[in-house]
Amino acid sequence: KAGVTQTPRYLIKTRGQQVTLSCSPISGHRSVSWYQQTPGQGLQFLFEYFSETQRNKGNFPGRFSGRQFSNSRSEMNVSTLELGDSALYLCASSFTGMNTEAFFGQGTRLTVV
Amino acid sequence: AQSVTQPDIHITVSEGASLELRCNYSYGATPYLFWYVQSPGQGLQLLLKYFSGDTLVQGIKGFEAEFKRSQSSFNLRKPSVHWSDAAEYFCAVVRPYNNAGNMLTFGGGTRLMVKP
Repeated sequence: KAGVTQTPRYLIKTRGQQVTLSCSPISGHRSVSWYQQTPGQGLQFLFEYFSETQRNKGNFPGRFSGRQFSNSRSEMNVSTLELGDSALYLCASSFTGMNTEAFFGQGTRLTVV
Repeated sequence: AQSVTQPDIHITVSEGASLELRCNYSYGATPYLFWYVQSPGQGLQLLLKYFSGDTLVQGIKGFEAEFKRSQSSFNLRKPSVHWSDAAEYFCAVVRPYNNAGNMLTFGGGTRLMVKP
């Protein structure tokens, strides 16, 4: 079956702009989580959605937001981009998010200039 | 707050040699434990996981890991490393509670280099 699909793979944005990233989970998976990966901070949890509801949230400013649609696809949005938002953004999906493994997409590389 | 420590930032081994990557966690209860591998510019691939039961778990690509409760460790091992194993390895934990979902906490990673 198809894996987790993230689009786009690469993005270049200017400071102050906003950006929307998309994640299509594995068919049948209802939990989608987002992570930010940077050389300095490593892998950090952003938020998790399950059945269109945010179930968990990491320690990120309100500029980072997300949502999940009825087909379990998820988007994350970052407003008022800062240089420090440059990172690899990874999406992971799992069946329920509990007692099950998470499958990761290849990520979206965001560069803020 | 839970935390995960991978003491070795870089490790270099010769092809065919054995490998052990260390992982220690700090948490009040035993969390669920995972090892992931990441090739450059790619996402994360799950190597193996531990939820409960047998403390020695087998994973893909010939990897295994042993959970030691007394040492709060979950070290990853492979008896004979192949050049294709060169990548970055991440240990991760998640709270074993229903509302924890997939809120993984990752270690800093260990970059493995393999000498021919």
